[in-house]
Amino acid sequence: GQQLNQSPQSMFIQEGEDVSMNCTSSSIFNTWLWYKQEPGEGPVLLIALYKAGELTSNGRLTAQFGITRKDSFLNISASIPSDVGIYFCAGRASGTYKYIFGTGTRLKVLA
Amino acid sequence: NAGVTQTPKFRVLKTGQSMTLLCAQDMNHEYMYWYRQDPGMGLRLIHYSVGEGTTAKGEVPDGYNVSRLKKQNFLLGLESAAPSQTSVYFCASSPNPGQGGGYTFGSGTRLTVV
Repeated sequence: GQQLNQSPQSMFIQEGEDVSMNCTSSSIFNTWLWYKQEPGEGPVLLIALYKAGELTSNGRLTAQFGITRKDSFLNISASIPSDVGIYFCAGRASGTYKYIFGTGTRLKVLA
Repeated sequence: NAGVTQTPKFRVLKTGQSMTLLCAQDMNHEYMYWYRQDPGMGLRLIHYSVGEGTTAKGEVPDGYNVSRLKKQNFLLGLESAAPSQTSVYFCASSPNPGQGGGYTFGSGTRLTVV
């Protein structure tokens, strides 16, 4: 099945550093979602984006809907240990109701 | 708010045994989904439902069956479990995605088939 290209696959960073990750698709999407999954739990929605160029923040997290509508970006500023987890992007094309998920970025924060 | 509740949380099956995973949502969502998550594979859609009484195949439906007899419940069945079905299974629900909003996921069922 179709999946999004999400990068990087994993990151090890020091506490306090900023984090950037992205998701790209060969298809144009109308909606981008970003989820976080902590160990032993299901993914939890962080940010939803509905318009090309849109920039939305949720605390220290900021996500952008790419101008081409084929990509999206997530930034985390001043990382803390509780940011550890797997971050998933998901996109939905016009006329469809299913989201396609990326393979995830595994983030580890070193105190 | 309970959101999406999955039962059981853990299960060990012997090859060939059958079981049913239960998913219940209390948000009056029309759409429900079953995913499996394997290391390095992300989330793969098994089956989904766009409303009570409807079901449809996702990308990896073989070996699974589903039923949506009530709007709030979505059941995933394994008729004859195989080791390849060892995975973490997530249920999710959503309103019509065309109306905005994303999926709400349950906390998962970890299934091991020996």
